[in-house]
Amino acid sequence: AQSVTQPDIHITVSEGASLELRCNYSYGATPYLFWYVQSPGQGLQLLLKYFSGDTLVQGIKGFEAEFKRSQSSFNLRKPSVHWSDAAEYFCAVTPTGGGNKLTFGTGTQLKVEL
Amino acid sequence: EPEVTQTPSHQVTQMGQEVILRCVPISNHLYFYWYRQILGQKVEFLVSFYNNEISEKSEIFDDQFSVERPDGSNFTLKIRSTKLEDSAMYFCASSQERKGNSPLHFGNGTRLTVT
Repeated sequence: AQSVTQPDIHITVSEGASLELRCNYSYGATPYLFWYVQSPGQGLQLLLKYFSGDTLVQGIKGFEAEFKRSQSSFNLRKPSVHWSDAAEYFCAVTPTGGGNKLTFGTGTQLKVEL
Repeated sequence: EPEVTQTPSHQVTQMGQEVILRCVPISNHLYFYWYRQILGQKVEFLVSFYNNEISEKSEIFDDQFSVERPDGSNFTLKIRSTKLEDSAMYFCASSQERKGNSPLHFGNGTRLTVT
């Protein structure tokens, strides 16, 4: 069955520290890959997406993600976290060659310590 | 930047009552979706809608649920007789195309509380 796994439910980092949020997927073929962020009281905002080509993609708010086919992973990174990055982060996929119904991971709640 | 807007932001209703959640998708988008997130769980697909009909729905989307595009701008989700387990955040989304590389744009959600 197709699935998306985010192994870390909660992560706490200090402001200014680097961040990596993990995402693994299980699909028959490489899907389209997305990261969304949900700030408190807000909706889901698209951070970045990977369709093909360069495996390192840049997104908004200084985030980037790297697609690694061999590991079926699409980890989200940020070199220096700001307090305003505290939010819940969701990895999501859609199948290539099909519709754009998103399958989400369970999310990672990021807490930033000042 | 154009946004998907949802109203109300919070709806409290009693079990057995009907609720209608409203959404205004981005104006040039043609595909519309509802997702929901039960507290502490993952975001789940409910239904997709195109050309005034449902194009896909999940097993969650049973006969108690219906969607409608009553005019050229609104997209609604109706729950006919709410249950306690319908309490969740409901997200509306829209996209320009149905291809997998056409990102969904989400609204801020409506938090539905069924008492």
